[in-house]
Amino acid sequence: GENVEQHPSTLSVQEGDSAVIKCTYSDSASNYFPWYKQELGKGPQLIIDIRSNVGEKKDQRIAVTLNKTAKHFSLHITETQPEDSAVYFCAASIVFGGSQGNLIFGKGTKLSVKP
Amino acid sequence: KAGVTQTPRYLIKTRGQQVTLSCSPISGHRSVSWYQQTPGQGLQFLFEYFSETQRNKGNFPGRFSGRQFSNSRSEMNVSTLELGDSALYLCASSPGQRGDTQYFGPGTRLTVL
Repeated sequence: GENVEQHPSTLSVQEGDSAVIKCTYSDSASNYFPWYKQELGKGPQLIIDIRSNVGEKKDQRIAVTLNKTAKHFSLHITETQPEDSAVYFCAASIVFGGSQGNLIFGKGTKLSVKP
Repeated sequence: KAGVTQTPRYLIKTRGQQVTLSCSPISGHRSVSWYQQTPGQGLQFLFEYFSETQRNKGNFPGRFSGRQFSNSRSEMNVSTLELGDSALYLCASSPGQRGDTQYFGPGTRLTVL
């Protein structure tokens, strides 16, 4: 089955710096890749997603890139702010037919942004 | 629109008991998926329901079951609780069509003593 590996497990940056989190997946059939942010005591919140027919997607300070050949995708956060501190999860899903496709998650990256 | 709601938010049970957790999806969403989150195993998929039918299932024992009602609300049940079932149980809703975004609720924190 699908396996998603996420690195690094912890990341500490200074406010204003950029942060990059990388994920690799094993199943070449995966075609949907969301990123979630989870704050303490809350459920994961979608921050950005990308589908296999797109190589890059950007939303203000957040961008995601996808390399299907290498089977990896990355989250880029620019101009980090203290409120970006949270645990970030990548996920992969195989969407087929009418099925939603269950999400396979990476183990998470705890991002700390120091003021 | 109101977000995904889960009740109760916290629950304490003892080994051998059973528990039922509830999830109300975003209005208009027909798919509800359940996930278990633990420090060791991370986020793992339990099952997905769509139009009152289980559409997808993860690798969990039969003690874990679920159902969905005609109003799309969903419940999951865990029977014969074990210490290892202590976890945050999350449900996510989506419209239910191919590749729709899943929106998570705040979760139910289950502690098994």
